[in-house]
Parts: sequence; C-alpha cells; structure tokens
Amino acid sequence: KQEVTQIPAALSVPEGENLVLNCSFTDSAIYNLQWFRQDPGKGLTSLLLIQSSQREQTSGRLNASLDKSSGRSTLYIAASQPGDSATYLCAVFGNEKLTFGTGTRLTIIP
Amino acid sequence: GAVVSQHPSWVICKSGTSVKIECRSLDFQATTMFWYRQFPKQSLMLMATSNEGSKATYEQGVEKDKFLINHASLTLSTLTVTSAHPEDSSFYICSARPGTASYNEQFFGPGTRLTVL
Repeated sequence: KQEVTQIPAALSVPEGENLVLNCSFTDSAIYNLQWFRQDPGKGLTSLLLIQSSQREQTSGRLNASLDKSSGRSTLYIAASQPGDSATYLCAVFGNEKLTFGTGTRLTIIP
Repeated sequence: GAVVSQHPSWVICKSGTSVKIECRSLDFQATTMFWYRQFPKQSLMLMATSNEGSKATYEQGVEKDKFLINHASLTLSTLTVTSAHPEDSSFYICSARPGTASYNEQFFGPGTRLTVL
C-alpha cells in the first residue's frame, strides 16, 4: 500500500526567503506526482505535475523535483510571499489511484 | 479549460436525513470521476471511483450502502450520503479525469462542506 509522507507538517518562514517542502513515498511504481495548494476551507489548486520520466517541473517561483528511485520529491518556493501561505499537498498516482500526502502547512511571516 | 464544479458548496442537515452532492465537469467529458473525503487538518482520502454507466468501486472501509454514487452521464456524478450522522460531517471533494488513460491528470472540484447536526 502506497504511503506518502510530508515533512515538516508545519513551517513558518519570513517573507522573501526561499524554502523547500519535502514529500516521500514508499512505492516507487508511480506514473506521476503532483503538488497542490489548499487554502483553508477551500478545494485544491494544482501547482505542478511531474511525469515519472521527468526530473523536474518549473512554474514561476515554483520548482518541483522528482527522484522516483529514492521515493522523494521536493517543492522549492523562491522569494516567498505572504500569499504563499497555505497547506501544500503532494500526491502520487500509481496502482490506478491518487494517494495524497499528509500536507505541510506553510505560513509566510510578513 | 478543465473546470469541475460541485454543488452545493456547503450543506447543513439534520441527523438521519440524506444529502446529495453533485460533481460536474463543465468543459470536458469524464468517463471516470473520483470522490474524496477530508477530515479537519487531515489529508484527502479516496472514497470511491465512479465510472460512467457502471457501478462505483469503493475503497476498503467505505460503506457503499451509505455513500451512494451515481455516474449517469459523462459530465455528472452524484454522491448521496444516506441517513447522515454527525460523524459524516466532513469536506467532500470530487475530481474528474478526461480521456480513458488512468494516469491522465485529475481535475478537482471546489469541495462541499457537509455538517450533520
């Protein structure tokens, strides 16, 4: 059974700093990995999707990497802003289903 | 493109009543839709996979008689919580997948918050 873990569970950083969120998964037989953000009480916003054949994806200030063999992914956020405050979820697709991580609650301090 | 809507966005009901939640893909056809549940401060857990024109596949531990799923068209799936109880209070999120490849990206709805009194 796939298990997805995100560390840390919560993170607070001053505005302007760069930061890294971590995601690890136990079964490396995945098709893709996706990062989402979720604002309180809201649905999911897809940030980046990395296919299993890819090593990284970039969108604006966000960069996600994938090391399938070691079961790890990172989400790098550059020059953080207060609007980046949210919960970030990673999810892996494998065995016909999407399995979500436990999430990292990010707070950017102005 | 790839917009998924849910209705209602929130609902409050009395214990013992049934509640229906709709999930629609607005600009694409979705042979497969998914229903997830999220408890406060927890992650999303897949409840069931809904396939158009056939019975839904439920995850282990999810009662199919309590959570009725109907996927009658390529753009609409419904989740009915029957005889709801306070422990069913949760955030329910659906997703829809265009095309037939299982690894195609899922697009998520905005969620429905259910509160059972």
